[in-house]
Amino acid sequence: AQKVTQAQTEISVVEKEDVTLDCVYETRDTTYYLFWYKQPPSGELVFLIRRNSFDEQNEISGRYSWNFQKSTSSFNFTITASQVVDSAVYFCALNSRGYSTLTFGKGTMLLVSP
Amino acid sequence: KAGVTQTPRYLIKTRGQQVTLSCSPISGHRSVSWYQQTPGQGLQFLFEYFSETQRNKGNFPGRFSGRQFSNSRSEMNVSTLELGDSALYLCASSSRGGLETQYFGPGTRLLVL
Repeated sequence: AQKVTQAQTEISVVEKEDVTLDCVYETRDTTYYLFWYKQPPSGELVFLIRRNSFDEQNEISGRYSWNFQKSTSSFNFTITASQVVDSAVYFCALNSRGYSTLTFGKGTMLLVSP
Repeated sequence: KAGVTQTPRYLIKTRGQQVTLSCSPISGHRSVSWYQQTPGQGLQFLFEYFSETQRNKGNFPGRFSGRQFSNSRSEMNVSTLELGDSALYLCASSSRGGLETQYFGPGTRLLVL
């Protein structure tokens, strides 16, 4: 089975604080992809990043960065200098070769106050 | 390129009725997947279509069905609606499915009374 756990249900920060969203995954496949999606109040899931199981290189994109560690089965997401517009629900998802569908975590609601 | 579009955006039905939701994928994408999102169960996979064939199916009752047309547009149908079917139904498309990135539409919010 494949499983994604986002232990943080809700995080509240003040604007300009850094915030890290945790994601832990389980899969028996050696080939898999991990994703982060953002869901603003409008409901649409917005794709943020994809990482494959053979690429542990961490990535920074503007204020966003991702830390992928196979040893701990984690794929964490950090927002630097958070802004009010970052307020949304963030989902971590897994797709492995044996499934070919996305399995989502329960999501982390991020509230950024001015 | 235009994104994934879904119609209608909002829908209110009563128990026992049936409903059809529509999804138009990104141009050139041939795989369409459907997901149900509820507060209790979160995001759950319903089914995937590729080249007019259902290629994958989640753990939902037979009341949930779908189809895909030759232009890759997809519809999903829910018959004999139950209160628990109230949810946000999201459609996603990708070029070939499998492990590719799925791009989501805005969803259809279904309320069953």
